[in-house]
Amino acid sequence: EDQVTQSPEALRLQEGESSSLNCSYTVSGLRGLFWYRQDPGKGPEFLFTLYSAGEEKEKERLKATLTKKESFLHITAPKPEDSATYLCAVQGGYSGGGADGLTFGKGTHLIIQP
Amino acid sequence: DTEVTQTPKHLVMGMTNKKSLKCEQHMGHRAMYWYKQKAKKPPELMFVYSYEKLSINESVPSRFSPECPNSSLLNLHLHALQPEDSALYLCASSQGLTWDTQYFGPGTRLTVL
Repeated sequence: EDQVTQSPEALRLQEGESSSLNCSYTVSGLRGLFWYRQDPGKGPEFLFTLYSAGEEKEKERLKATLTKKESFLHITAPKPEDSATYLCAVQGGYSGGGADGLTFGKGTHLIIQP
Repeated sequence: DTEVTQTPKHLVMGMTNKKSLKCEQHMGHRAMYWYKQKAKKPPELMFVYSYEKLSINESVPSRFSPECPNSSLLNLHLHALQPEDSALYLCASSQGLTWDTQYFGPGTRLTVL
């Protein structure tokens, strides 16, 4: 069974204070690791997909990296509008290559104070 | 464009009511999903439709009945729900393969009285 653990559960930063969120995973063959941002009462907003160890992707103040056991979401010089819950999800195993559901971590609730 | 739309945004229903949730995408995606998200919890998979056929049912109670009328539409029919079924119901779509990115809609906030 796929498992995803995110840490910390909550993080409060000052505006401009850089930090990293962690996502550790256990899957029987990683097909993809996904990062989403979710604002209260809204659907998850796609950020990044990572497929293999060593892969990195960037978007504005966010950078996602992947190793064989974990992924990091680095936030550089965050602004208050970056406040949200950040969800990590994995697609693992082999289902014949067909569509399958994601296994999510519990998320990191990030607050950026002005 | 990666937009998935869901209607209604909010729904309040009694335990004896019958209602439906609707999801639509026009990205040409061939897989569509229903997830359920309780407060302060991550989304949990309910159903997967692949090429308009139900491919995964995560042992969801029969009071939830999915339907995929065509490749762009996904419905979730609700009947005789319980108060504990109150949650945010999320629809997602993807190209169709295991490793394809899933794009989520804004969700329907369901309250069962």
